[in-house]
Order: sequence, then structure tokens, then C-alpha cells
Amino acid sequence: DADVTQTPRNRITKTGKRIMLECSQTKGHDRMYWYRQDPGLGLRLIYYSFDVKDINKGEISDGYSVSRQAQAKFSLSLESAIPNQTALYFCATSDSRTGYEQYFGPGTRLTVT
Amino acid sequence: GENVEQHPSTLSVQEGDSAVIKCTYSDSASNYFPWYKQELGKRPQLIIDIRSNVGEKKDQRIAVTLNKTAKHFSLHITETQPEDSAVYFCAASQTNEKLTFGTGTRLTIIP
Repeated sequence: DADVTQTPRNRITKTGKRIMLECSQTKGHDRMYWYRQDPGLGLRLIYYSFDVKDINKGEISDGYSVSRQAQAKFSLSLESAIPNQTALYFCATSDSRTGYEQYFGPGTRLTVT
Repeated sequence: GENVEQHPSTLSVQEGDSAVIKCTYSDSASNYFPWYKQELGKRPQLIIDIRSNVGEKKDQRIAVTLNKTAKHFSLHITETQPEDSAVYFCAASQTNEKLTFGTGTRLTIIP
């Protein structure tokens, strides 16, 4: 079944550590996104990629970086984690050919202590 | 850039009653307005969407209305059921561009 997967699903890390969150999809979609979800703040866009060679900053990109290793893989890195990056992170995909719907992964719960 | 405001942040309704969630957007160029539902511990999923050439769209108990002049759109759920309890997000975008989400509404259906 074509899907969007995220690893790890849960992660606890310490302040100052580098951490990578990974997203893979088997939907064959060209577009991929990273969102952050905090209570009361909704889904905020961190970075998005409309194809392998196109990467764009979202509204809250400071402190984050991304890599689009292939059409199916999009990774989010926190170079030096800080406690206010504690949140639920979602990856999503969409297909520019068929419409606008975004398909979300299961999420990664990240805690920075 | 686009700014989407969503109200209320929490909503409780008796089972069988209707629920209405409202959103406003700032960019008059936006022409796509989806609604996502996120059940507890789950991922957001699209439940209905509307494009700016349509004023209303229905899908069984769910409907969305759009007022382009006032730049607001609403989600209507009729005959609410316990499984409607979730967080609902509205969003807006221009054609084939990135989405801007509202801050979410936590809907609780009271049995």
C-alpha cells in the first residue's frame, strides 16, 4: 500500500545534539513538505520541495535544514537542537499532476531536554 | 504571504447537533481551501476541499461554504456523531502552491 513513512517515530535528545528526521514515500509524488505541530499553533511549514532540485524555506526554517536525497526521500535536520524545538513533526507529500491533496506521514514526536 | 485565522479554537456540541468552524484568509489570490481532520494520535487527513469557482460543496454530513468577497470559508458538520470528535484544520493556497494552515479547532461531541 503506497504510503508516507517517518523515522524515528519518537526521539528524545539533549540540547546541542544534531538530529535527523527522515521521510520516505512510495506514492510517486514529486512534492514533499516538513511541518511542525505545536498545541494551539496548528501546522507550520518548515521547508518544502517541489522536486529534487527545488527546496524552499517555509515560515519557520530557522534552526532547521533539509536534504532531498531522491524523489522519495526528504530529511529534516536540527543542527543543534534546543528545547523549544520540542514538537510533533509531520512530513507530507503531494502530486503536482493530479491535484492539491497533501498526504501526511504518521509524525515524529521529538523531545529536546 | 498568506495568513489564515480559524475560530473557535475549541467547540463542544451535543451529539446530533450541528457544528460550524470558520476561517478567514488574507491573500485574495488564494483559490484553494481544504479542510483536514486529525483524530487523536493520528495524522491529518483531507476531508473536503473547495475551489474559488464554487460557493458551496457538500459530502454527506459535511459541507464547506466560501465567500470570496469577504475572504472567509466555513466547515459545517450536521447530525454530529462521536466519531466527529477531532481537531479540524482549514488551509488556503494559490493554484498548486504551498498550503497555509489555520491554528485548528478541537471539536468535542458530547453524547
